[in-house]
Amino acid sequence: GENVEQHPSTLSVQEGDSAVIKCTYSDSASNYFPWYKQELGKRPQLIIDIRSNVGEKKDQRIAVTLNKTAKHFSLHITETQPEDSAVYFCAATTSGNTPLVFGKGTRLSVIA
Amino acid sequence: DTGVSQDPRHKITKRGQNVTFRCDPISEHNRLYWYRQTLGQGPEFLTYFQNEAQLEKSRLLSDRFSAERPKGSFSTLEIQRTEQGDSAMYLCASSFDSNQPQHFGDGTRLSIL
Repeated sequence: GENVEQHPSTLSVQEGDSAVIKCTYSDSASNYFPWYKQELGKRPQLIIDIRSNVGEKKDQRIAVTLNKTAKHFSLHITETQPEDSAVYFCAATTSGNTPLVFGKGTRLSVIA
Repeated sequence: DTGVSQDPRHKITKRGQNVTFRCDPISEHNRLYWYRQTLGQGPEFLTYFQNEAQLEKSRLLSDRFSAERPKGSFSTLEIQRTEQGDSAMYLCASSFDSNQPQHFGDGTRLSIL
């Protein structure tokens, strides 16, 4: 089955700097890759997703890139703000067939 | 649209007791998923429904676990004879169909004494 590895497990950045979180997946059939943000004690919230027919997607300060050949995808957050501090999870699935397989998460701390 | 709703938010029970959780998905969402999340880990898939049909169950779902979605709307997850290892956050998610994003509820935190 699918296996998703996520790095780093913790990340500290200064406010205004960029943050990058990377994930690799094992199943070449996976074609849908969402990212969730989870604040302490709250639900995972979908922040951005990408499908395998595109290589990059942007939404304001957040972008995701996908390299199908290398089977990895990354989350990029620019101009970080203290409210970006949270745990971020990547996930992968073969959309339509299987549930999401999540990485173990990255705890992002944005230092003011 | 009030989002995915889960009840209760917290459940504390003694080992060996049975517990039942409820999930109300977003209206008109056909797919409903149950995940379990332990501290420091990502959510792990348990089972999912397409309308009232349970389509897949994870190996994590032992025979002490059962889930239902009798009318294709809300779902229940029951754990019988709870064990210490069952302590976790149980998350429910729903999606409009198989190709739409999953949206999560706030979860039910289960603590086994």
